[in-house]
Amino acid sequence: AQSVTQPDIHITVSEGASLELRCNYSYGATPYLFWYVQSPGQGLQLLLKYFSGDTLVQGIKGFEAEFKRSQSSFNLRKPSVHWSDAAEYFCAAYSGTYKYIFGTGTRLKVLA
Amino acid sequence: EPEVTQTPSHQVTQMGQEVILRCVPISNHLYFYWYRQILGQKVEFLVSFYNNEISEKSEIFDDQFSVERPDGSNFTLKIRSTKLEDSAMYFCASSERGQPTGELFFGEGSRLTVL
Repeated sequence: AQSVTQPDIHITVSEGASLELRCNYSYGATPYLFWYVQSPGQGLQLLLKYFSGDTLVQGIKGFEAEFKRSQSSFNLRKPSVHWSDAAEYFCAAYSGTYKYIFGTGTRLKVLA
Repeated sequence: EPEVTQTPSHQVTQMGQEVILRCVPISNHLYFYWYRQILGQKVEFLVSFYNNEISEKSEIFDDQFSVERPDGSNFTLKIRSTKLEDSAMYFCASSERGQPTGELFFGEGSRLTVL
């Protein structure tokens, strides 16, 4: 069965430090992969998506993610974290027809 | 910027009661969805809705659940007889196009607490 795993429930980084949030997927074919962010009091917002082609995708707010088929991973990165990046981040995969499969989310805390 | 709005933001109800969660999707969107997240668990797909009918539903979406688009703007999720395990954050989403190319726009969520 398809699945999306985010191994880290909580991550804490200092402002200005680099960030990497992990996501692993289980899917037979080439997956469509997404990262969403949920800031406090907000809905889930799409950060970036991978469908095919270049395995390094750029998103909004300075985020990028790299698709690695050999590792079944789609990790989210940011070179320098800002305090406003504190939020919950969800990795998701399109599973066919109309639905997405989400991970459990990673809550990011940013220290000043 | 257009957004998906959901009401109520938080509802507390007694087990066995009916609950209606409301959503106003983005006005030109044609596809509508409900997802939910039980505390500490994954965001789970419940149902998708297009052209005034359910296009897909998950095994969670049993006979206790129903969706409706009663007018041109609202999209509702009804739980007929709530159970303790229905306690969760319910997210409404809409998209202009079908999946996977149609970007999902999510609302802030409605937290349902069943006592």
